[in-house]
Amino acid sequence: GAGVSQSPSNKVTEKGKDVELRCDPISGHTALYWYRQRLGQGLEFLIYFQGNSAPDKSGLPSDRFSAERTGESVSTLTIQRTQQEDSAVYLCASSSWGTTSTDTQYFGPGTRLTVL
Amino acid sequence: SQQGEEDPQALSIQEGENATMNCSYKTSINNLQWYRQNSGRGLVHLILIRSNEREKHSGRLRVTLDTSKKSSSLLITASRAADTASYFCATDSGGTSYGKLTFGQGTILTVHP
Repeated sequence: GAGVSQSPSNKVTEKGKDVELRCDPISGHTALYWYRQRLGQGLEFLIYFQGNSAPDKSGLPSDRFSAERTGESVSTLTIQRTQQEDSAVYLCASSSWGTTSTDTQYFGPGTRLTVL
Repeated sequence: SQQGEEDPQALSIQEGENATMNCSYKTSINNLQWYRQNSGRGLVHLILIRSNEREKHSGRLRVTLDTSKKSSSLLITASRAADTASYFCATDSGGTSYGKLTFGQGTILTVHP
């Protein structure tokens, strides 16, 4: 079946503009995660959604970052008033929950965000 | 700061040799996972080892976990040029952090044909 997809694959924006990044998880996966990866670094957790539970937003770096998820499908990560330090690859992952494969997260290809 | 820290930061070997990467972490874990990343984009899940396991194999991969030392190693045997990638360990601490992976900085592996 289809994997996790993300759009756009690349986004170049000017400092101060808002951007929206989209993630389509694997069908049937109830858990969805957003991570950020700066150049040459590991991934930093941002936020995760699990079913109808309140999302865990503990990794969001500032109130300029927000994310939504529609039911158990698409999620959008919004960054308002972008700064140059927001430049990174934003990766989305999904996983099933409450099954033997719960712990495996499947990653999308990422969105490379460049803030000029 | 990152929970997991890999070493070495970079590893260069010849095709056919074995590659060993290490990961250390600070807090107790539910499980530890290894991922591969090609060209700085999507990650591919390689193997997961739970806190009550000591060793796990998958094809040419062998992972060990020593919870007393809070460390793990990933061994790739008979390496191939196609194994060239960045390798990351990630820990899941469970509890209220269940599912929230904490990644190390990664090891860049280069396999020369």
